[in-house]
Amino acid sequence: QKEVEQNSGPLSVPEGAIASLNCTYSDRGSQSFFWYRQYSGKSPELIMSIYSNGDKEDGRFTAQLNKASQYVSLLIRDSQPSDSATYLCAVVNSGAGSYQLTFGKGTKLSVIP
Amino acid sequence: EAQVTQNPRYLITVTGKKLTVTCSQNMNHEYMSWYRQDPGLGLRQIYYSMNVEVTDKGDVPEGYKVSRKEKRNFPLILESPSPNQTSLYFCASSLVPGNPFLEQYFGPGTRLTVT
Repeated sequence: QKEVEQNSGPLSVPEGAIASLNCTYSDRGSQSFFWYRQYSGKSPELIMSIYSNGDKEDGRFTAQLNKASQYVSLLIRDSQPSDSATYLCAVVNSGAGSYQLTFGKGTKLSVIP
Repeated sequence: EAQVTQNPRYLITVTGKKLTVTCSQNMNHEYMSWYRQDPGLGLRQIYYSMNVEVTDKGDVPEGYKVSRKEKRNFPLILESPSPNQTSLYFCASSLVPGNPFLEQYFGPGTRLTVT
């Protein structure tokens, strides 16, 4: 059973601070990694993807991947109240022409003004 | 406007009464998928389809059926719904064949209650 683990939170940070969200996965063969943001009652929205070890930056967001440790993280710099949402880590396992996506249960982030 | 649509958005039904939740996308995407989301369990994949007439099971396929007769449509069928299928359902689609999830678009969700 492929597993993706996240701290459920809630994670509370003050406005302007850095929010750090973490995710670990069990399948060493996993190849692609994603972070989605989901506001309450809404559908998930893709915010970052990462495929290689290291860091990937996009605006205030930085995704970090360490395949040896089976660990992926998301940093949100200069956190804003509008960043308050649940963040879902997702991992793709592919093989024999099929693709399966496994999500973590999500970390709820609250940015305090 | 590029979008994934689901219908109905809300449905209350009774145990055993067959139902279909429709999903349609207007982006010519090859990959489509169904998920269910439950408190404490997160988002779990039910079925996915790499292309027309190609479907495969996700993590929680029991009690569900799908079909992919046309590229744009991917209906989810519950032949005999049970209360444990009460959930929030999302359909999603993706364009890039090499990595189906790179630009995955989610529909607005269907909240299903089975009594």
